[in-house]
Amino acid sequence: DTGVSQDPRHKITKRGQNVTFRCDPISEHNRLYWYRQTLGQGPEFLTYFQNEAQLEKSRLLSDRFSAERPKGSFSTLEIQRTEQGDSAMYLCASSATGYTEAFFGQGTRLTVV
Amino acid sequence: AQSVTQLDSQVPVFEEAPVELRCNYSSSVSVYLFWYVQYPNQGLQLLLKYLSGSTLVKGINGFEAEFNKSQTSFHLRKPSVHISDTAEYFCAVSDQRNTGNQFYFGTGTSLTVIP
Repeated sequence: DTGVSQDPRHKITKRGQNVTFRCDPISEHNRLYWYRQTLGQGPEFLTYFQNEAQLEKSRLLSDRFSAERPKGSFSTLEIQRTEQGDSAMYLCASSATGYTEAFFGQGTRLTVV
Repeated sequence: AQSVTQLDSQVPVFEEAPVELRCNYSSSVSVYLFWYVQYPNQGLQLLLKYLSGSTLVKGINGFEAEFNKSQTSFHLRKPSVHISDTAEYFCAVSDQRNTGNQFYFGTGTSLTVIP
């Protein structure tokens, strides 16, 4: 399968714990995006990478959130000291220069208890 | 900045009936327009997109949408729905000038097809 892959699909964690999600984009896609989707809402932009460079970050991305894309391939999104308000679906998408649309993964559903 | 308004949060419709899901956008710059579909616990799948040219665009699964610049709308339509069309539908825009292609999504419309 050559689609966007996210791992894990589901994560339950206790408040205050750190969590890390992984996203593998479509091969050779140089752009990678992270979005957050809460219940009953549309996806909200978190951050964007072009190759390994993080070019844009939303103000939604507090200092407890960090994203990396070493070597411009897969990406990780880490949330430190999780809060109940972090419970959401975290979606990764990838695209390439010249494309107008993005291709989404199936998401990681985070539940903070 | 751009924003997207989906006027109906829930739309119930009987099987084989037509449906229209409404989307209005606000932007000070030219935008591309998209409709995505999301099935339960799944990611988003592109239904169709408007970039330029003909204002009527056709997508997958028999869906089509019409771009109306004067009304800043991009409504999604299907002449006859199936049970399998039950899903969440999101309208989105992106800034044509922004090479990063960041998307702004509406809050979604939940389409329920009734047998």
